[in-house]
Amino acid sequence: EPEVTQTPSHQVTQMGQEVILRCVPISNHLYFYWYRQILGQKVEFLVSFYNNEISEKSEIFDDQFSVERPDGSNFTLKIRSTKLEDSAMYFCASSGEGAYEQYFGPGTRLTVT
Amino acid sequence: RKEVEQDPGPFNVPEGATVAFNCTYSNSASQSFFWYRQDCRKEPKLLMSVYSSGNEDGRFTAQLNRASQYISLLIRDSKLSDSATYLCVVNMAGTGANNLFFGTGTRLTVIP
Repeated sequence: EPEVTQTPSHQVTQMGQEVILRCVPISNHLYFYWYRQILGQKVEFLVSFYNNEISEKSEIFDDQFSVERPDGSNFTLKIRSTKLEDSAMYFCASSGEGAYEQYFGPGTRLTVT
Repeated sequence: RKEVEQDPGPFNVPEGATVAFNCTYSNSASQSFFWYRQDCRKEPKLLMSVYSSGNEDGRFTAQLNRASQYISLLIRDSKLSDSATYLCVVNMAGTGANNLFFGTGTRLTVIP
């Protein structure tokens, strides 16, 4: 069964550093998403991406964040200058054309110290 | 105002019991509805989509009431492996893509 994969599983970084979280969506999917979940809180939408551009972004997705699809398989989330409050689990998800069902990767746990 | 509201529980039920979870959503124009389950420190996994006519998948039955903006999930014959947090998830109408909004989840523990 095809799966969304994410690397790394855990990233520890110092405040102010840049991090790049990587995702490989399901191969024939066209819509890609990033969500985050702060420990003990609900999953929150960050950004959606389709046809090589951002479709929608939330208030959380400010100028510190960017997304990119650098090649045919990877989808990345970059945080330029991390803050303590960026510590969370970041989930990548993907969905196919016309399909509203989203499939999530295992997540990257980001710890900012 | 929360987009999706759920009773956080916890629900502690014996094996074999039937348990029901409810959820309300705020945007009357929402078009897609789902139940996901999430195990501790894991990703949300799609359990089932929820259709207007209601749908069933084995021991799981989902219902949607658009007039009341209410979604339910019924689990029959609970198994120990059903222990998890159940997330009510709704897409927000009017957005360009299929952005999902999650409830805080309802925690279920099935007891032997």
